[in-house]
Order: sequence, then structure tokens, then C-alpha cells
Amino acid sequence: GDSVTQMEGPVTLSEEAFLTINCTYTATGYPSLFWYVQYPGEGLQLLLKATKADDKGSNKGFEATYRKETTSFHLEKGSVQVSDSAVYFCALNTDKLIFGTGTRLQVFP
Amino acid sequence: EAGVTQFPSHSVIEKGQTVTLRCDPISGHDNLYWYRRVMGKEIKFLLHFVKESKQDESGMPNNRFLAERTGGTYSTLKVQPAELEDSGVYFCASSQDVASGRIEQYFGPGTRLTVT
Repeated sequence: GDSVTQMEGPVTLSEEAFLTINCTYTATGYPSLFWYVQYPGEGLQLLLKATKADDKGSNKGFEATYRKETTSFHLEKGSVQVSDSAVYFCALNTDKLIFGTGTRLQVFP
Repeated sequence: EAGVTQFPSHSVIEKGQTVTLRCDPISGHDNLYWYRRVMGKEIKFLLHFVKESKQDESGMPNNRFLAERTGGTYSTLKVQPAELEDSGVYFCASSQDVASGRIEQYFGPGTRLTVT
């Protein structure tokens, strides 16, 4: 069945470091791909999305490119801030969302 | 525009009791979803309403869970009787109709359920 695998956390970085959170997927067909973020004490928020191969989603300095050949949708940010500390979820959409296990990011000043 | 709201934010109940969770989707959203995250694990799909009809309930764990969406507006998820393994965070999400092409699901803050 369809599934999403993302790197286990926590990921611990210093402010202004480069971030990569890996995400790969298995799916029949051509799903849309998403990154959701959950800040402490809050609900899930859509961070970015891509609906077809080679699309790049971007928001708040984060980017992810839909790579069909490697079935990946890795999340990147060039310079993280303390306020980026949160749990990040990769997901694919085939009518319902299928999530990865989430990756906790901790950014220290 | 108000977002997806859920009530209560936290619930602590004893094993064997009944709990009802409520979700109010974004106004005008036909699609309503329930998901659950058990501690430390992935967020898992429970079911999907299109208006008042259950489109997909393949993720419902067992018949102790009952979801309704009367009138196609808010939805309730009842757990009766609750078991220890039902503890987790229950998320509700909504999205516009498929025909509009707007497939993003918008999530509520979740209800944290603790069964003791």
C-alpha cells in the first residue's frame, strides 16, 4: 500500500544552519505531496505542497521538490531560525493523507 | 475566515467510559476527515465525510468508534467504551470539494484524549 518514510529525529541544529529532512514515498498513481508543520502547542499547518513531478513547493524559506525518479520530497531550508523548532510531517494525498512519522527539529541560538 | 475548530482540547477519561469529540470544519468545506496520532507514531487516517455521507471509513479501528456528520456541517466522533489504546491526539481536517481542485486539507488543533 501507499506509504511515507521520513528520517527519524530529533534533528538538532544551531541557528542559521542548513536543514534537510528526508522524505521518500511509495504510491500507485501520482499523488500530491505535502509538508505539514506542528509548532509546540498548536495544530498541524500546511507548510508547502507539490502536485506533480518536478514541482517545487516553497514557503517561509522552506523548499521541497517532487522527484518522481527517486520518489522523494525532501524538505530544505538554507538558514534555520529558533522559531522553526517544530515537528515536520511529510504526507501524500490519495483522497486521504498518508503521513510519515514526523521529524522533530530543535534549533538552538 | 475561521479555521477548523475542535472540542474539547483535552479529555481525560477512565477505561470503559464514553467520550464524544466534536469538529467544526471551515464553512463551505464539503470534505471532513478524522485522523489520529498515537504517541510517537504516525498520524493515521480514520475516516472521510463528503457532506453528510461517509466516503471512506477504512481507517476506523473497530466498532467502538462511531462518527457522524448530521446535516453535513459539524462532525462528532464517539468512542464507547474507551480503551487504554485509544489514547492519542485526534485531528480533524477539512477541504473544499474535489471539483474546485483545492485539495489542501486544513487541520484543527486536535483533541488530546487520555484514557486511564
